[in-house]
Amino acid sequence: EVQLVESGGGLVKPGGSLRLSCAASGFTFSSYSMNWVRQAPGKGLEWVSSISSSSSYIYYADSVKGRFTISRDNANNSLYLQMNSLRAEDTAVYYCARYITIFGVVDIWGHGTMVTVSS
Amino acid sequence: EIVLTQSPGTLSLSPGERATLSCRASQSVSSSFLAWYQQKPGQAPRLLIYGASSRATGIPDRFSGSGSGTDFTLTISRLEPEDFAVYYCQHYGSSFFTFGGGTKVEIK
Repeated sequence: EVQLVESGGGLVKPGGSLRLSCAASGFTFSSYSMNWVRQAPGKGLEWVSSISSSSSYIYYADSVKGRFTISRDNANNSLYLQMNSLRAEDTAVYYCARYITIFGVVDIWGHGTMVTVSS
Repeated sequence: EIVLTQSPGTLSLSPGERATLSCRASQSVSSSFLAWYQQKPGQAPRLLIYGASSRATGIPDRFSGSGSGTDFTLTISRLEPEDFAVYYCQHYGSSFFTFGGGTKVEIK
């Protein structure tokens, strides 16, 4: 079964840091580009960051550029999101997501992990 | 930067009725990279339509997508109880993803 399982969410103070992880299984992880997408409580979806299959290409939304770092470990089928200088507006469910480059779509989503930034 | 505007914000319909959801782009986009997702409360989104009109694997044929340029439509021909959810359009361009604000389809 194709699966993405996020972990690492929690409560953090403004200005703090958090590292999210995503464990992939059921597919050849090293062949796919991956995304982080977030959703603030009661709000819509917001793309956060993308990384190509070999980590050669990395992109960030303007809202997180310079604060968040995406990375992956293909040997361990894992995706990461290092989040620094967190702000209240970063509070959201963070989804790990596999995307198909030729169609520009996310075809597999994790269940999400909640990040709350509050003092 | 492309902005996707979805309308209406909320659609109140009864089971069996037809739902028509709109997604308008701030500039012309390639239909090859226009997709639709369904999201139910407490769940991750699910891909419904890609390439503006192609159904994803396992998606019932009551869901259809159409459009080009700046105007795209998701149609649900006859609403089933499980179709009441929030729907998002999404565009992929220059390696960036953009989502619309969503349309909630609720039971009337």
